[in-house]
Amino acid sequence: GENVEQHPSTLSVQEGDSAVIKCTYSDSASNYFPWYKQELGKGPQLIIDIRSNVGEKKDQRIAVTLNKTAKHFSLHITETQPEDSAVYFCAASKDSGGYQKVTFGTGTKLQVIP
Amino acid sequence: GAGVSQSPSNKVTEKGKDVELRCDPISGHTALYWYRQRLGQGLEFLIYFQGNSAPDKSGLPSDRFSAERTGESVSTLTIQRTQQEDSAVYLCASRSYNSPLHFGNGTRLTVT
Repeated sequence: GENVEQHPSTLSVQEGDSAVIKCTYSDSASNYFPWYKQELGKGPQLIIDIRSNVGEKKDQRIAVTLNKTAKHFSLHITETQPEDSAVYFCAASKDSGGYQKVTFGTGTKLQVIP
Repeated sequence: GAGVSQSPSNKVTEKGKDVELRCDPISGHTALYWYRQRLGQGLEFLIYFQGNSAPDKSGLPSDRFSAERTGESVSTLTIQRTQQEDSAVYLCASRSYNSPLHFGNGTRLTVT
């Protein structure tokens, strides 16, 4: 089955700096890659996603890049703010018109230092 | 509209007891997933339901774990003869066709 690896497990940045989180996946048939943010005591919330027919997607301060050949994708957060502090999860799945198991990475705890 | 609702939000039980966790998905979402999240860990897939198809149970860790779903509505996750290693947050998520997962806030289970 699919295996998703995520690095780093913890990340501390100064407010205003950029943060980058990287993930690799094993199944070349995976074609949908969402990113989730989990705040303390809450369920994960989708922040951005990308499909395999696109190499990059941006939404304000957040961007995701995908390299299908290397089977890795990354989350980039620019101009970080204290409210960006949370645990971030990447995920991969094979969406082929039906519903598939979504495999998550192990998470990155991001701390933004004011 | 309402999001995914899970109950109870917290559950403390004695080792050896059975527990039932409930998930109310978003109305109209045909797929429903259960994940387990141990303290400080990632999301461990347990089971997913897809409409009226047979569920994918490949993530259930032992035969003490089972789940049911009635049609496209409520799901219950049952853990029999609970063990201390079952202590975790159990997350439910639902989705409609070609949409991302929407998670509830989870049930925090503590087995004493």
